[in-house]
Amino acid sequence: AQKITQTQPGMFVQEKEAVTLDCTYDTSDQSYGLFWYKQPSSGEMIFLIYQGSYDEQNATEGRYSLNFQKARKSANLVISASQLGDSAMYFCAMRENAGGTSYGKLTFGQGTILTVHP
Amino acid sequence: DAGVTQSPTHLIKTRGQQVTLRCSPKSGHDTVSWYQQALGQGPQFIFQYYEEEERQRGNFPDRFSGHQFPNYSSELNVNALLLGDSALYLCASSWYNEQFFGPGTRLTVL
Repeated sequence: AQKITQTQPGMFVQEKEAVTLDCTYDTSDQSYGLFWYKQPSSGEMIFLIYQGSYDEQNATEGRYSLNFQKARKSANLVISASQLGDSAMYFCAMRENAGGTSYGKLTFGQGTILTVHP
Repeated sequence: DAGVTQSPTHLIKTRGQQVTLRCSPKSGHDTVSWYQQALGQGPQFIFQYYEEEERQRGNFPDRFSGHQFPNYSSELNVNALLLGDSALYLCASSWYNEQFFGPGTRLTVL
């Protein structure tokens, strides 16, 4: 069974600093995908970044990058140059069978609340 | 290009009633999934629809049912509502490795 663990219930960062949000996962599948989502207080789940298990390069999307360490089964999100608008809940999620197909549920972690201080 | 849309935004029902939530996927997406998110928790998978068929289901009772239409839009139906069904219901549409969520429907059961 898939499992996602986010061990940081809350994180604080100063504006313009970088922050790393931790995520570890457990799966017996060889093919899977890892997602990070941001959920502001409004409730909408905003897609940030995706990493496939066979991708050799770490994924990057603007100020977001994913530090993917397959052997350690970790997929940490790095946010550079934090902004006040980054304050939100962040979820790590995994989907098995990620080989170019939409099939499969997302399994989510418990989330990390990020607070950006001015 | 509109993203995933859901209706209604908010809904208040009483125990025992039935509710229908609606979702329109992002253009080009053919797969729709539904999730339930209790306060302070991560979303939990309810089921996924593809080509108008339910192809995967999470650990939810039969009171939760769904439907997908030929235009890929979807409905989530919940019968015999319980207080514990109060949650944010999220619809996600996907195509290959893309998976985008709608704004959610907040259901309150009194």
